[in-house]
Amino acid sequence: NAGVTQTPKFRVLKTGQSMTLLCAQDMNHEYMYWYRQDPGMGLRLIHYSVGEGTTAKGEVPDGYNVSRLKKQNFLLGLESAAPSQTSVYFCASSTRGGPTDEQYFGPGTRLTVT
Amino acid sequence: GIQVEQSPPDLILQEGANSTLRCNFSDSVNNLQWFHQNPWGQLINLFYIPSGTKQNGRLSATTVATERYSLLYISSSQTTDSGVYFCAVHRYNFNKFYFGSGTKLNVKP
Repeated sequence: NAGVTQTPKFRVLKTGQSMTLLCAQDMNHEYMYWYRQDPGMGLRLIHYSVGEGTTAKGEVPDGYNVSRLKKQNFLLGLESAAPSQTSVYFCASSTRGGPTDEQYFGPGTRLTVT
Repeated sequence: GIQVEQSPPDLILQEGANSTLRCNFSDSVNNLQWFHQNPWGQLINLFYIPSGTKQNGRLSATTVATERYSLLYISSSQTTDSGVYFCAVHRYNFNKFYFGSGTKLNVKP
């Protein structure tokens, strides 16, 4: 099992450009999440999904869109990148609210917006 | 939401020393996890521990759910233990995890 993978690992964008980050998991998890982590801070939830075809807003959703067309994939889009979106982005997945609802993280994507 | 507070925010240890990290949370939770973020940025699951005590080598964790706190113990620390330790809690009806701001640990040789 690869677990949770993220593509790309690094990216540099100019202000106003768009891009999509891909998260894939092979554990058949229902729940998937996108977080951002800024220097000296913990993780903040951007958007999440409780199943295929569903998405919901987290703490900091502005400037981002997501889609979950397939159960194993969760896409995070930036339509018009801004320097404030320079961050490390982590994707995670977990099972559906059961007693073993551990969350597993991908390796992260380091995004710089100039 | 649920407030998660971790202490101390920063910790410097000499190799071989022991330490205790604390995580307090403001409401009842169904799940609690401890993570280690290594200096390369990877987030590694340490413990899934909604209640009770678990041990894994030099690390152990205890969660007292009724008193809303969890402790992570690191014994005989090594330089490879350096990084940031996060606590995250979850409640079923909130559909998401809440993270603390972390404890940054620096183990010196």
